[in-house]
Amino acid sequence: EVQLVESGGGLVQPGGSLRLSCAASGFTFSDYWMNWVRQAPGKRLEWVANVNEDGSVKKYVDSVRGRFTISRDNAENSLYLEMNSLRVEDTAVYYCAKAKTAGTFDYWGQGTLATVSS
Amino acid sequence: QSALTQPASVSGSPGQSITISCTGTSSDVGAYNFVSWYQQHPGKAPKLIIYDVSNRPSGVPDRFSGSKSGNTASLTVSGLQAEDEADYFCVSYTGRTNLDVIFGGGTKLTVL
Repeated sequence: EVQLVESGGGLVQPGGSLRLSCAASGFTFSDYWMNWVRQAPGKRLEWVANVNEDGSVKKYVDSVRGRFTISRDNAENSLYLEMNSLRVEDTAVYYCAKAKTAGTFDYWGQGTLATVSS
Repeated sequence: QSALTQPASVSGSPGQSITISCTGTSSDVGAYNFVSWYQQHPGKAPKLIIYDVSNRPSGVPDRFSGSKSGNTASLTVSGLQAEDEADYFCVSYTGRTNLDVIFGGGTKLTVL
C-alpha cells in the first residue's frame, strides 16, 4: 500500500524557516517524480515544486523560487521542502504527491499545516 | 492563465448523471492530453479518479468517465451514489517550467 506521510509543519513568524518532510512507502520511491502542492485557507490548490527521480531536475512556481528548496533522499525514501524567508501568504496545508504521468498525482499525503504569522 | 475554471457546485439525485466542466486555454487543457480529475472528501487526501483525460486508475468504478473538447475537459459521474458526494477538482499539465500544472477551483457535488 502506497503511503505518503508529511511532517514538519507548524507556526513560524514572517521571515522564518520551516523544513517539511514526506516519508514514502509502498512503492519504489526512486522511480518517480515527486511534488509539493499547497492549499491556502479558502483557496484552490497550487503546485509548489517538483523534483525528478534522481534529484537532478527541480522546478518551482515563481512565488517560491529562491526561497524554497525541494530535495529528496532516495536511500531514505524521503522528500523534503526547505522553506526560508516565509511570508504570511505561504500559510497553507502542504501536500506531498507522487507523480504518475505529466501533471498527474496518483497518491497524496494527508498534508501538514504551515502557518506564518506574527 | 494560472487557473482552470470549474462550476462551484453541481447536484443530482441518486441514479442520475452529472457532468462537471473544467475550462482552460489552448496553452494547457487544449495543448496536452494531460488532464486529471480528483475526488476529495472533507478532511481526506485527494484521490485520483481520471488521468490523461479519460483513463481510470484501477479500482475506480466505470461510473466515472472523462473527456475533452478543445480547451474544456469534462468529468461525468453516472448512476450517482450517496458516496459520490464530495469535492472534485481538475488539473492540467502546462509544460511550463515555472508552473508545471494548474488546478481548477473545485466543484462541490451534492447527491440529493
